Amino acid sequence: DAKTTQPPSMDCAEGRAANLPCNHSTISGNEYVYWYRQIHSQGPQYIIHGLKNNETNEMASLIITEDRKSSTLILPHATLRDTAVYYCIVRTRNQFYFGTGTSLTVIP
Amino acid sequence: SAVISQKPSRDICQRGTSLTIQCQVDSQVTMMFWYRQQPGQSLTLIATANQGSEATYESGFVIDKFPISRPNLTFSTLTVSNMSPEDSSIYLCSVVPSGAYNEQFFGPGTRLTVL
Repeated sequence: DAKTTQPPSMDCAEGRAANLPCNHSTISGNEYVYWYRQIHSQGPQYIIHGLKNNETNEMASLIITEDRKSSTLILPHATLRDTAVYYCIVRTRNQFYFGTGTSLTVIP
Repeated sequence: SAVISQKPSRDICQRGTSLTIQCQVDSQVTMMFWYRQQPGQSLTLIATANQGSEATYESGFVIDKFPISRPNLTFSTLTVSNMSPEDSSIYLCSVVPSGAYNEQFFGPGTRLTVL
């Protein structure tokens, strides 16, 4: 199963872009990269996913490197409500295996 | 999206007892999963709940400890058997909706404390 590596914590100033990196060097060609976040022990919330191309939705952008060994989640204008643990996940078949995640703190 | 409810939302139990957690979805789903999140930790996949057949367990989890049922496409239960304080965790149900293979949604979780 492909593993992911994320920094344990990051800070971001409110209103600025938050760039959360993730390494997944053992990813296979047909495995998707997913991002979820978890706010204060609630159920994880889906953010975005991608395979090869960069993706954007109303919440965030996902940038995947050409070799697919790493990706970056971008929250374009971070707010205090974006403070959460962010998980980068490589989807293996139907199962999601969570790594340790990045605890993002948005600072006023 | 799928709306997922879990019962109970939290419970405090005595060691040696068992607790059954229910997961109900508002629409039919193709896949259902159970996760555990120990205090301060990430989520760990326990098993895939298979409709009409035995669940598929991940390494380190066994049916005798975590029996799972899935009688239909919208409902599943997870039982935590013969509980010990080490079983104190949040237990989460997640689903893949029918026709939405690339999406997986999580329930609110059940917070279990074992004394």
